[in-house]
Amino acid sequence: GAVVSQHPSRVICKSGTSVKIECRSLDFQATTMFWYRQFPKQSLMLMATSNEGSKATYEQGVEKDKFLINHASLTLSTLTVTSAHPEDSSFYICSPKRGGTEAFFGQGTRLTVV
Amino acid sequence: AQSVAQPEDQVNVAEGNPLTVKCTYSVSGNPYLFWYVQYPNRGLQFLLKYITGDNLVKGSYGFEAEFNKSQTSFHLKKPSALVSDSALYFCAVRANNAGNMLTFGGGTRLMVKP
Repeated sequence: GAVVSQHPSRVICKSGTSVKIECRSLDFQATTMFWYRQFPKQSLMLMATSNEGSKATYEQGVEKDKFLINHASLTLSTLTVTSAHPEDSSFYICSPKRGGTEAFFGQGTRLTVV
Repeated sequence: AQSVAQPEDQVNVAEGNPLTVKCTYSVSGNPYLFWYVQYPNRGLQFLLKYITGDNLVKGSYGFEAEFNKSQTSFHLKKPSALVSDSALYFCAVRANNAGNMLTFGGGTRLMVKP
């Protein structure tokens, strides 16, 4: 399977600060990256789709100015949670798009905002 | 629009007994169906998929799933459960023209007791 590296795996930050999450596809180039969010005891929900070299597409209800996505290269996409609030505490998972039928996921980032 | 339903929030089974985790789906056209497992604070791990061919699909760790087109179901099964199978299981679907973007079910927590 494809190798996807997501960093950090766990982060605790203070309210009002920003946190950057990185997602790298290590053995293939991904023009598209899916970012999911998972609240406790809930399923994964697609937040946004990023495309290399262009603006990301956000799902309904997801604030684009709060969740900044940068997909500057074919192997790296970043999600920055700006001015974090406790309600942003969640598990964030990236999934780079690759040819074929199977999806691959990063290890996930557990964000806790205190 | 595509959707997935996992009717059981939790399934309890004794070690050594067979297990079933239910999943039904709705999608336009031919579905691609997946099962993923998630351990605490970890990303999703692929178990198995149905794309085409035999309705009974065998996957990792002794799991299998049966695609039933008439009932639009894709239940996950294992003949003999292990305590180490205890985890959160997600069923996912995508239409065959939806790239890698998946729609997930709500997840089912499997508890295997010794």
